[in-house]
Amino acid sequence: AQSVTQLDSQVPVFEEAPVELRCNYSSSVSVYLFWYVQYPNQGLQLLLKYLSGSTLVKGINGFEAEFNKSQTSFHLRKPSVHISDTAEYFCAVTPTGFQKLVFGTGTRLLVSP
Amino acid sequence: SQTIHQWPATLVQPVGSPLSLECTVEGTSNPNLYWYRQAAGRGLQLLFYSVGIGQISSEVPQNLSASRPQDRQFILSSKKLLLSDSGFYLCAWSVLVAQETQYFGPGTRLLVL
Repeated sequence: AQSVTQLDSQVPVFEEAPVELRCNYSSSVSVYLFWYVQYPNQGLQLLLKYLSGSTLVKGINGFEAEFNKSQTSFHLRKPSVHISDTAEYFCAVTPTGFQKLVFGTGTRLLVSP
Repeated sequence: SQTIHQWPATLVQPVGSPLSLECTVEGTSNPNLYWYRQAAGRGLQLLFYSVGIGQISSEVPQNLSASRPQDRQFILSSKKLLLSDSGFYLCAWSVLVAQETQYFGPGTRLLVL
């Protein structure tokens, strides 16, 4: 079975500062990895995904993530955050060839002026 | 382009009352469909998924049920709601050729009193 750990439940950061949201996963088989963002009272929006190929994945809104197989990590980064990035961020994993996502518990990013 | 609708957006129901939440997808055929529940301060829990009309797989035993009467319609039901059924219910879809990537609807917030 797969599992996802998002160690930071909340990350406060000032506007225009860089940010990294951490995600570690556990799996005995190859996986696909995803980051989703959820704004208050809304559904989840896909930020980016890693399926294969380059381990550095670029997504929407200036976010990127790097797949590190040896460390079983898929950390999300942004070089300069905006107030509008304040939201909940979820990391998710699914075994290749399957369609059921396993989600982490989420990280709340709080951007202040 | 594909869109996904959920209604109602918000629902307040008494304990013991029935429930029916609806999800419809437009712009695609034969999607995989999913129901998730997000409890306050927690991640997403997969409740049901469907790969075709009348085909429902349950992930978590509970007093909820799901049905797929049409190709692009997915319904979540309960005969008698419990307090613990309160939460944010999200519907998602994926396509057969890329079923690892799920796209989410706007959600329904359910409060059981």
